[in-house]
Amino acid sequence: AQSVTQLDSHVSVSEGTPVLLRCNYSSSYSPSLFWYVQHPNKGLQLLLKYTSAATLVKGINGFEAEFKKSETSFHLTKPSAHMSDAAEYFCVVSDGSGTYKYIFGTGTRLKVLA
Amino acid sequence: DARVTQTPRHKVTEMGQEVTMRCQPILGHNTVFWYRQTMMQGLELLAYFRNRAPLDDSGMPKDRFSAEMPDATLATLKIQPSEPRDSAVYFCASGLGVSGSTDTQYFGPGTRLTVL
Repeated sequence: AQSVTQLDSHVSVSEGTPVLLRCNYSSSYSPSLFWYVQHPNKGLQLLLKYTSAATLVKGINGFEAEFKKSETSFHLTKPSAHMSDAAEYFCVVSDGSGTYKYIFGTGTRLKVLA
Repeated sequence: DARVTQTPRHKVTEMGQEVTMRCQPILGHNTVFWYRQTMMQGLELLAYFRNRAPLDDSGMPKDRFSAEMPDATLATLKIQPSEPRDSAVYFCASGLGVSGSTDTQYFGPGTRLTVL
């Protein structure tokens, strides 16, 4: 069965410093992995996705994530945080059995300090 | 810029009343998903459709919830009768439904439901 674990429920960084949001997955299939962002009172927006092509995936707003099979990780990074990055971030693994379903992590709330 | 739309955006109702939430998926998308988000449970999948056929509604309380797709441009989620524990944000998402596990879901802005 597929599962995803977001290792931190809250992360605080100062504006201009790097962001690291951690995600580990478990999958009996070759997984597809996604990161979504949810700003307050908004829907979820796709940041990036991994689908077995390049292991380093670049997304919108300067975010990127690296798929590491040996570590079963898909951590999200950004070199320099901006105040507008404050939001909740969800790591997602696809169900992988042809059902189109997503398995969501519990979310990481990112706080950016001025 | 194609988007999933949901109506209403906010709904306040009293316990026992019927609630209907509507979703317009992105044109050409074949899969539609209904999610519920609460602080306690996070994001839960309630039901999903492919080509308007329900594929999985195991996450939905059957006695009071129902989901339908009357046509390819409209999905509905009904709660009858509503209860205070149904208070949550309900999201609709749609996807192309052609690439299996690599399919991307596009989310609507949500309907915030408050049941008094």
